[in-house]
Amino acid sequence: SSELTQDPAVSVALGQTVRITCQGDSLRPYYASWYQQKPGQAPVLVIYGKNNRPSGIPDRFSGSSSGNTASLTITGAQAEDEADYYCHSRDTGGNHVVFGGGTKLTVL
Amino acid sequence: EVQLVESGGGLVQPGGSLRLACAASGFTFSGYWMHWVRQVPGKGLVWVSHINRDATSATYADSVEGRFTISRDNAMNTLYLQMNGLRAEDTAVYYCARESFYYDSSDSPHYYFDYWGQGTLVTVSS
Repeated sequence: SSELTQDPAVSVALGQTVRITCQGDSLRPYYASWYQQKPGQAPVLVIYGKNNRPSGIPDRFSGSSSGNTASLTITGAQAEDEADYYCHSRDTGGNHVVFGGGTKLTVL
Repeated sequence: EVQLVESGGGLVQPGGSLRLACAASGFTFSGYWMHWVRQVPGKGLVWVSHINRDATSATYADSVEGRFTISRDNAMNTLYLQMNGLRAEDTAVYYCARESFYYDSSDSPHYYFDYWGQGTLVTVSS
């Protein structure tokens, strides 16, 4: 098993760029995927793989990875981006699944 | 349109049992691994279990191993989670999620949950 570590909270001024990071050993063999969750709603996939966005996700969302750290970048953050963001991957053994603890993004 | 609809949540006493269901539509259910993920209100996402396409293999988080059983009925397009020996700490919203994957240029697989249900609340309390 392994863990993914995220900063609990991050803030960004409206229209500015913010990076949310996720760190863990399982991010060496696996790309992280990223989920946005707003209060009372189910998570929504925003980034998967090296840097892929599902249909309907704005192109201000992007992903990157280096070593054991994955990053979700929002370029030009909007008020509607205020949410919790979770990273996810398989664990180092490949058979279990791990989530980061989540990052609460506040758009000021 | 892909849809995952959970049902079966509710209030149960400690030590009791509950069976959750996740009805899938809009895709070939038998072609995907399926997962259960839970979330204590106000807390983070926690993976619970997954099952492979033909139900020949299942894996569980340590916290539910031996108490929960995941299963699926591909003819009925439905995923299940049988929860026995429920504890207060099992109180959470339970989501089912579809897992997709792709292979990169090095033939390494990468996994992601592309669809989630709306969740069903399980409350374990006397």
